[in-house]
Amino acid sequence: GENVEQHPSTLSVQEGDSAVIKCTYSDSASNYFPWYKQELGKGPQLIIDIRSNVGEKKDQRIAVTLNKTAKHFSLHITETQPEDSAVYFCAASAPLGQLTFGSGTQLTVLP
Amino acid sequence: SQTIHQWPATLVQPVGSPLSLECTVEGTSNPNLYWYRQAAGRGLQLLFYSVGIGQISSEVPQNLSASRPQDRQFILSSKKLLLSDSGFYLCAWNQGGVGQPQHFGDGTRLSIL
Repeated sequence: GENVEQHPSTLSVQEGDSAVIKCTYSDSASNYFPWYKQELGKGPQLIIDIRSNVGEKKDQRIAVTLNKTAKHFSLHITETQPEDSAVYFCAASAPLGQLTFGSGTQLTVLP
Repeated sequence: SQTIHQWPATLVQPVGSPLSLECTVEGTSNPNLYWYRQAAGRGLQLLFYSVGIGQISSEVPQNLSASRPQDRQFILSSKKLLLSDSGFYLCAWNQGGVGQPQHFGDGTRLSIL
């Protein structure tokens, strides 16, 4: 089955700096890669996703890049703000497969 | 627009008691439905998923069961809770098809005493 590894497990950045979270996956058939943000006591919220026919996708301050050859994808947050502080999860799924989640990254944006 | 509801938000139960958590989705039909457990604020573990009424797939052997009595209703149950059943339980839905995003409810915090 699919295995997704996520790094780092914790990340602290100064407000205004960029944050990068990286994930690797094992199943070369995986073709869908969403990212979720989870605030304390809430369910994960989808913030951006990418499919395998695209190398990069951007939505305002958030971008995701995908390297299918190396089987890794990354989340980039620019101009971080205190409200970006949360746990972020990556996930991957193959056709007809279920989502497999990474173990999460606790992002803290310091004012 | 589609919404997903889970209740209760928090639950404290004694060991050996039964459990019933409910999840409903509005604004869509024939969704795929999922139950996850999240321990210690990290790592979502898929417990059950359903692609239609009465169709349940289990991902891990455990003390829990799931049922889907109606198209947009998903129930997580146990006859006798164990201490190890404590955790944060999340329901999610998506539309059928390849690469469809899952959307989560706000979860139920279950504490077993």
